[in-house]
Amino acid sequence: DADVTQTPRNRITKTGKRIMLECSQTKGHDRMYWYRQDPGLGLQLIYYSFDVKDINKGEISDGYSVSRQAQAKFSLSLESAIPNQTALYFCATRQPHRHNTGELFFGEGSRLTVL
Amino acid sequence: EDKVVQSPLSLVVHEGDTVTLNCSYEVTNFRSLLWYKQEKKAPTFLFMLTSSGIEKKSGRLSSILDKKELFSILNITATQTGDSAVYLCAVPSQTGANNLFFGTGTRLTVIP
Repeated sequence: DADVTQTPRNRITKTGKRIMLECSQTKGHDRMYWYRQDPGLGLQLIYYSFDVKDINKGEISDGYSVSRQAQAKFSLSLESAIPNQTALYFCATRQPHRHNTGELFFGEGSRLTVL
Repeated sequence: EDKVVQSPLSLVVHEGDTVTLNCSYEVTNFRSLLWYKQEKKAPTFLFMLTSSGIEKKSGRLSSILDKKELFSILNITATQTGDSAVYLCAVPSQTGANNLFFGTGTRLTVIP
């Protein structure tokens, strides 16, 4: 079983619809992240959370919101999806590391297509 | 602003070839550089480098860091079709996010 699980893995939706992507982890990590990956742009940080109820904006948070109601769960919402939010979305976790040197652990990704 | 530049953007080789992937970076307060392999979906961790000149090795893959010239290379010898993937280079972000800042990746295709 994956340590970081994302649902759904694939979703096609229409412009204006509300979409939620869910992430759960069994690693016991405090820190959780949502990234977006577009071809040629690498991974861009959307939101991150260091603990339950802690929410912080990343590089590209406009059009997104998140919720961290439990240590193991971090959900990403698109309140009104638009076509340029078509992308591959990754959830990731890590433990705090001194000097921020540690690795991130990724979920399998959620491919979202907005028509 | 942090910057990570990977080259080449894509590469096609034949099985058995040796490849070298490059990652250059500009960050304040460098701490480490990480390499990930991304096949179909989730990036998987390969190496973390913190010291110059010390090679990290795992099977046919190896990586080394040059902190003076601000770059790292990832070598793959005797490539196999299973090495086909996007290889990502990342450095710890200097923001409070405590996350990783990624390059755009190098897409490696190994043909039989």
